[in-house]
Amino acid sequence: DGGITQSPKYLFRKEGQNVTLSCEQNLNHDAMYWYRQDPGQGLRLIYYSQIVNDFQKGDIAEGYSVSREKKESFPLTVTSAQKNPTAFYLCASRVRGSSYNEQFFGPGTRLTVL
Amino acid sequence: AQKVTQAQTEISVVEKEDVTLDCVYETRDTTYYLFWYKQPPSGELVFLIRRNSFDEQNEISGRYSWNFQKSTSSFNFTITASQVVDSAVYFCALSEESYNTDKLIFGTGTRLQVFP
Repeated sequence: DGGITQSPKYLFRKEGQNVTLSCEQNLNHDAMYWYRQDPGQGLRLIYYSQIVNDFQKGDIAEGYSVSREKKESFPLTVTSAQKNPTAFYLCASRVRGSSYNEQFFGPGTRLTVL
Repeated sequence: AQKVTQAQTEISVVEKEDVTLDCVYETRDTTYYLFWYKQPPSGELVFLIRRNSFDEQNEISGRYSWNFQKSTSSFNFTITASQVVDSAVYFCALSEESYNTDKLIFGTGTRLQVFP
């Protein structure tokens, strides 16, 4: 079945460590996105990529980094520079070309900093 | 500025009650799209519906219906005869065509709890 997978589902990190969250899609979508969700808040855009080898900062990119070496993969690294990284992270993808197209979401990764 | 407001933080109902989730949006664009997503306890967002700014026809899908009114900048979602499985957080979202920012602007969500 086509879809988006994120791993791991739960992740624990010590302060000062970098950690990478995986996102893979087999929907043949060009565009991919990373969102952060905090309790009682909506989703905030961290980074997005419309094509391979290109990506743009979203609204809250500080302390995060991404790469897009393959169409199917868009990993997110949470660096030690991110002051408050504990959150629920959602990856999404969609067909590129128009804001008309809905985004499809993965199951999410819950990151906790100890 | 673009903005989506879901003023209802949490709603609790008893099964079989009807419930309406409100969504009010602000946009600078004349062509835009509105979405509703459902987030069950598992966490994954599930797409429910999309509406174009030039199509004000209401939509019904089973127990779900959506009322889009440009005059009041609202895109409200009604669940008829609610069920326990409807318990989730529901998000309304907006994207604008002409600016092609490739962003979805989300509201803060409404948590719906349906009790048996």
